[in-house]
Amino acid sequence: DTGVSQNPRHKITKRGQNVTFRCDPISEHNRLYWYRQTLGQGPEFLTYFQNEAQLEKSRLLSDRFSAERPKGSFSTLEIQRTEQGDSAMYLCASSQYRHRYPEAFFGQGTRLTVV
Amino acid sequence: GNSVTQMEGPVTLSEEAFLTINCTYTATGYPSLFWYVQYPGEGLQLLLKATKADDKGSNKGFEATYRKETTSFHLEKGSVQVSDSAVYFCALLHGSSNTGKLIFGQGTTLQVKP
Repeated sequence: DTGVSQNPRHKITKRGQNVTFRCDPISEHNRLYWYRQTLGQGPEFLTYFQNEAQLEKSRLLSDRFSAERPKGSFSTLEIQRTEQGDSAMYLCASSQYRHRYPEAFFGQGTRLTVV
Repeated sequence: GNSVTQMEGPVTLSEEAFLTINCTYTATGYPSLFWYVQYPGEGLQLLLKATKADDKGSNKGFEATYRKETTSFHLEKGSVQVSDSAVYFCALLHGSSNTGKLIFGQGTTLQVKP
């Protein structure tokens, strides 16, 4: 297993377009997290899944954002009608919930630029 | 609410200098504390962690001690190398939360010059 994989690495889109990002977690991990990181800031939690169930969504996740994790494997994050304020690095992380202090493994992120 | 505050960067040091990056937190209860590192073009990697008061996390020459009395988790290294140049993030995981979600500081950029 090569770790958490995110695609694409970079995405440039015009304002108003829809974009979708994919995250493939470490295969045995049952939890998957999405974070957003803007320039000069630390990552901020967006949402997380345990297996296929989405258990929590941040207030940062407006109704233009939707995330799925069908079959509890890979996850997608879709942003509809993108705005310039959506420009950021979108990070995915996975962990194994069985452990009391599970280490979160992060992907390299998808950098979104909305022009 | 829970929050993490890190010292402002960038921090610029010469090779073999001593490093301290300050981190303080606000949380109810007993959080676990982490330092993550992000090298250029890469994702975040866990550097070290401490799960209870007075614990010392250490890895690759870096150390941090969980100080409950001062709500701090400062990162230190005795002799930095050029290869340590990266962005360092302090983070907490709330002890009573089952979610596993991390709360990060804003990050501190370290640049080490030869």
